[in-house]
Amino acid sequence: KAGVTQTPRYLIKTRGQQVTLSCSPISGHRSVSWYQQTPGQGLQFLFEYFSETQRNKGNFPGRFSGRQFSNSRSEMNVSTLELGDSALYLCASSLAQATTSGRAEFGPGTRLTVT
Amino acid sequence: SQQGEEDPQALSIQEGENATMNCSYKTSINNLQWYRQNSGRGLVHLILIRSNEREKHSGRLRVTLDTSKKSSSLLITASRAADTASYFCALGRYNQGGKLIFGQGTELSVKP
Repeated sequence: KAGVTQTPRYLIKTRGQQVTLSCSPISGHRSVSWYQQTPGQGLQFLFEYFSETQRNKGNFPGRFSGRQFSNSRSEMNVSTLELGDSALYLCASSLAQATTSGRAEFGPGTRLTVT
Repeated sequence: SQQGEEDPQALSIQEGENATMNCSYKTSINNLQWYRQNSGRGLVHLILIRSNEREKHSGRLRVTLDTSKKSSSLLITASRAADTASYFCALGRYNQGGKLIFGQGTELSVKP
């Protein structure tokens, strides 16, 4: 079956702009989580959605938001981009919650560069 | 800190040798997972070990968990050049939903 897909794969934005990233989970997976990966901070949890509801949120400013649609596809939005938002954004899907179902399947990521 | 701490940060070995990576943590967990990441790409799930398990195997991988010492190790036997990647441990806790807490990773280089 098809894996987790993320679009776009690469993105270059300017400070102050906003960006929307998309994630399509594996068919049948209802939980989608987002992570930010940077060389300095490593992998940081952004938020998790399950059945269109945000169930958990990491320690990120309100400029970072997300949503999940009825087909489990998820989007995350970052407004008023800052240079420090440059990162690899990873989406993960799982049947239930990654910590209970046992495994999260990750997408290839979106590489965001803010100039 | 809640996150796992991995050591070594970097490991360089020859093909055919074994590679051992360690993960220590400070909080209680329900499971611990290991992931591999090739050069800034997505993470690949390798193995999960639950808090009531001590050891698990998957192919050339062996994972141990010592909850009394709050530590886990990942052993890759008979390493191959294709094993070159970053390896991360991730902590799972039921009261944190789907949130996985990742360590900083071990960068493994296997030289042919």
